[in-house]
Amino acid sequence: RKEVEQDPGPFNVPEGATVAFNCTYSNSASQSFFWYRQDCRKEPKLLMSVYSSGNEDGRFTAQLNRASQYISLLIRDSKLSDSATYLCVVNKAAGNKLTFGGGTRVLVKP
Amino acid sequence: EPEVTQTPSHQVTQMGQEVILRCVPISNHLYFYWYRQILGQKVEFLVSFYNNEISEKSEIFDDQFSVERPDGSNFTLKIRSTKLEDSAMYFCASSSGGAYNEQFFGPGTRLTVL
Repeated sequence: RKEVEQDPGPFNVPEGATVAFNCTYSNSASQSFFWYRQDCRKEPKLLMSVYSSGNEDGRFTAQLNRASQYISLLIRDSKLSDSATYLCVVNKAAGNKLTFGGGTRVLVKP
Repeated sequence: EPEVTQTPSHQVTQMGQEVILRCVPISNHLYFYWYRQILGQKVEFLVSFYNNEISEKSEIFDDQFSVERPDGSNFTLKIRSTKLEDSAMYFCASSSGGAYNEQFFGPGTRLTVL
């Protein structure tokens, strides 16, 4: 089983619509969770950390379900600029390596 | 806003040659990392470095690889004898090591081994 698993997509989303997708992780000892965004041939950029209580940052909402070992990301009012690959990332402990999922590709179309 | 920088942006080398990839982490960060991403694949961890020593390394990080922090600002990755399969984007990252350990990535060096 992969350590971090994501639906590769692509998710084709009309501009202004809402899109949501999940990832699952296998290591129950994982302590911190993130969504990174990666544009084609660029570096991963931190979109948001995911906290146990769930958190929101503007149009983006992240949820963590430790019991079922999944993380979700919801994007409201999608913009063309949201087109990217969204990477689900987990970390076992402070200072430790990040483990990446393969990414979910989102294409926002006019 | 402070950022991680990497040089060169693109390196082309012949198989068997040595390459050194350079990174300048964010200045007050304490943890440093190298990751790589082969085209079309996921980002993979190579090595982490803290307090002037390797704290963790992956199976990929074999004897051909080494890291160094020579002068308190640069963080380098050396590949002693490059192979075709070393062709990838190499990303440096750094973090302050806080509870959530948010890591910030440099723009990457694209290594092409011919």
